[in-house]
Amino acid sequence: DAGVIQSPRHEVTEMGQEVTLRCKPISGHNSLFWYRQTMMRGLELLIYFNNNVPIDDSGMPEDRFSAKMPNASFSTLKIQPSEPRDSAVYFCASSRTGGGRGYEQYFGPGTRLTVT
Amino acid sequence: GDSVTQMEGPVTLSEEAFLTINCTYTATGYPSLFWYVQYPGEGLQLLLKATKADDKGSNKGFEATYRKETTSFHLEKGSVQVSDSAVYFCALIGGSNYKLTFGKGTLLTVNP
Repeated sequence: DAGVIQSPRHEVTEMGQEVTLRCKPISGHNSLFWYRQTMMRGLELLIYFNNNVPIDDSGMPEDRFSAKMPNASFSTLKIQPSEPRDSAVYFCASSRTGGGRGYEQYFGPGTRLTVT
Repeated sequence: GDSVTQMEGPVTLSEEAFLTINCTYTATGYPSLFWYVQYPGEGLQLLLKATKADDKGSNKGFEATYRKETTSFHLEKGSVQVSDSAVYFCALIGGSNYKLTFGKGTLLTVNP
């Protein structure tokens, strides 16, 4: 079974440009997460979707960041306009949730974003 | 809120040495506990998990036991290999039932 798929793997863009990161979760998983990893702040949860609905977006840094999940098999994270401080590795993860317990999350390979 | 504290790295060992990476946590209720591993340039991979007190998670020679009395989940391996060189993250899911709280990670380097 395929794991979490992310694209692109690497993205280099100039400040002010729009960036769109894509994620396909594992089939059958009903929860999707976007994380950001930097040396300074470690792994941070940006947003959590359950059954395609955003449940917790408290980690989204500011209005320049937006995320959508139009269906169970696809999600996007958009940054507009991008800034150099957005440079990081962005991970998508998926899991199944329910029954009042936390299940393990499976991570994609990540998108390394560099904003110059 | 929930938090995870793991030993600061880096940790450097020789091949076949014994490994321990300490992890303690703070959480309400009964969290699920995890160890993830990140190899250079890759995403995080689930290494092992434990969902209740006294459970032992194990995988690829690594083990960790859920100790509620000491709020710990230390990672151990009896004989490390060069291929085990990676960053190891201790993590938990607490009362939210979905939010993974990570430690800061421990870089392990195993020399031949």
